[in-house]
Amino acid sequence: DGGITQSPKYLFRKEGQNVTLSCEQNLNHDAMYWYRQDPGQGLRLIYYSQIVNDFQKGDIAEGYSVSREKKESFPLTVTSAQKNPTAFYLCASSLRDWGEKLFFGSGTQLSVL
Amino acid sequence: GQNIDQPTEMTATEGAIVQINCTYQTSGFNGLFWYQQHAGEAPTFLSYNVLDGLEEKGRFSSFLSRSKGYSYLLLKELQMKDSASYLCAVSPSNDYKLSFGAGTTVTVRA
Repeated sequence: DGGITQSPKYLFRKEGQNVTLSCEQNLNHDAMYWYRQDPGQGLRLIYYSQIVNDFQKGDIAEGYSVSREKKESFPLTVTSAQKNPTAFYLCASSLRDWGEKLFFGSGTQLSVL
Repeated sequence: GQNIDQPTEMTATEGAIVQINCTYQTSGFNGLFWYQQHAGEAPTFLSYNVLDGLEEKGRFSSFLSRSKGYSYLLLKELQMKDSASYLCAVSPSNDYKLSFGAGTTVTVRA
């Protein structure tokens, strides 16, 4: 079955530590996205990529980094510069661009120890 | 900037009907999406409207009025499993990112 897989489901970060969230899709989608979800707020875009080896900052990119070395994979690193990382992180993909529906992964809940 | 508004919470009884409104102000319009999200899970696609009118899909229907910047999601014959958050998202264009509303949490009571 085609889909989008995020791991881990739960992640804990110590102060000063970088952590990486995995996102893999086998839908053959060109575009991939990372969103952050906080209680009572809409999804906020962190980074997105519409083609391999290219990505763009979203609304809240500070303290995060990404790579897109393969079409299937779009990992997100939460760096120590992100001072308030506790949130639910969602990865998504779409066939090509913004006008198409998104397929979401099951999410990663990141908490700070 | 883009602005998407929807109510924070709604409560209804099992078997009833609930209407979730979404108003938007965006620079351009390329379509409106509704997603359902159960707590701690991924959002799943419910509907897409790009032309004015009503789109019906089983117990769920979605309406769009582009001139009014308005959409609603209608949930009929409510079931307990419909308790979830419903997200409205607008695509201003193919070249610009989606804007999401904060979501409406619907609680279905027995």
